[in-house]
Amino acid sequence: TAGITQAPTSQILAAGRSMTLRCTQDMRHNAMYWYRQDLGLGLRLIHYSNTAGTTGKGEVPDGYSVSRANTDDFPLTLASAVPSQTSVYFCASRAYDRGAGYTFGSGTRLTVV
Amino acid sequence: GQNIDQPTEMTATEGAIVQINCTYQTSGFNGLFWYQQHAGEAPTFLSYNVLDGLEEKGRFSSFLSRSKGYSYLLLKELQMKDSASYLCAVRDDVSGGYNKLIFGAGTRLAVHP
Repeated sequence: TAGITQAPTSQILAAGRSMTLRCTQDMRHNAMYWYRQDLGLGLRLIHYSNTAGTTGKGEVPDGYSVSRANTDDFPLTLASAVPSQTSVYFCASRAYDRGAGYTFGSGTRLTVV
Repeated sequence: GQNIDQPTEMTATEGAIVQINCTYQTSGFNGLFWYQQHAGEAPTFLSYNVLDGLEEKGRFSSFLSRSKGYSYLLLKELQMKDSASYLCAVRDDVSGGYNKLIFGAGTRLAVHP
């Protein structure tokens, strides 16, 4: 089973350029999330979506946008990348079961230069 | 405000027992999760506590005291492969994002022979 697939695995991006990080899940989970992970800060929520057609802002949404056109896909877009967006980005999903843990993708390592 | 504290690093000996503590102060509380993350990999779900007490799963146990805002993860019969970061996360439902998890910065555990 694939679970959650993220692409690309890693990317070097010039400052000012735009980029979309892709996330696809095949578990029919309703809720999906984007986190960034930085050394010493842990995982911080960027945006989330509780169900297809809805999205919400997390702790650090500035500079990022998301869409949720269907259940499976939850892309994250950086409109104009800045060096502070250098990070490891994780996509996650979960079912609505109260005790269900998140399933994480393998991550995208992004370097903005 | 939201605050989740856990020790930055711990070391332990193969075969021993280690306890990783987590204290939290969050606007709301609807469950506490522990995740394991090996270097360069995605976090994986370990345990979930929503009521006070101990949850046991093989070599791993997790405890919760909601009145004290405190949890711990207990790892028994440590193995070298248990060397990883352990992330404490609280589900906060006050902001309307029922499914959002807030993560601590993680505890890096090194198991040595």
